[in-house]
Amino acid sequence: GQNIDQPTEMTATEGAIVQINCTYQTSGFNGLFWYQQHAGEAPTFLSYNVLDGLEEKGRFSSFLSRSKGYSYLLLKELQMKDSASYLCAVSSFSGGYNKLIFGAGTRLAVHP
Amino acid sequence: GAVVSQHPSWVICKSGTSVKIECRSLDFQATTMFWYRQFPKQSLMLMATSNEGSKATYEQGVEKDKFLINHASLTLSTLTVTSAHPEDSSFYICSARDHDSRNSPLHFGNGTRLTVT
Repeated sequence: GQNIDQPTEMTATEGAIVQINCTYQTSGFNGLFWYQQHAGEAPTFLSYNVLDGLEEKGRFSSFLSRSKGYSYLLLKELQMKDSASYLCAVSSFSGGYNKLIFGAGTRLAVHP
Repeated sequence: GAVVSQHPSWVICKSGTSVKIECRSLDFQATTMFWYRQFPKQSLMLMATSNEGSKATYEQGVEKDKFLINHASLTLSTLTVTSAHPEDSSFYICSARDHDSRNSPLHFGNGTRLTVT
């Protein structure tokens, strides 16, 4: 089976840095995605990791350790608009398809 | 590019009726589309994988006779919630990849909020 764990809620201050962790257990691992979702809206793609290491994209960075089944999303220079849910999603090859299975999401609240 | 359009955005229906949700890839062809459901403050749960020209593949616990999926063309998949009940009220989201590779992200439609009264 598959299991994806991430904290339910986090709070941070505007301008600060926050790290959202994700641990996973899966078979047929094909990569790990991070998505951002504002309330009532569809998720938007943030990052993708398939090899170990850090991927940096502007204010957002994502890290992966396949041996540890661990990833984190790092958000720098936080802005109020970064208040949203952040979804860790694992891609695995199953039943002939690359399926994307989501964790429960981490609700981040950024305050002044 | 890579736009997925979903219609309607919201729908209210009476218990026992059926509701059809459309998902279109506007600027790419999608042999495979994915349907997710999301309850308030919960994550997206994969319901089924829609395959163009063949039967959909349903996840464990999802009733295929209740959630009918049709993928008649490379740009359109539909999800019909049959004999809807209040517990089917949820946010339904479709998604697709514009390239059939593992590192290609899923692009999501804007979702359909279904309320069954």
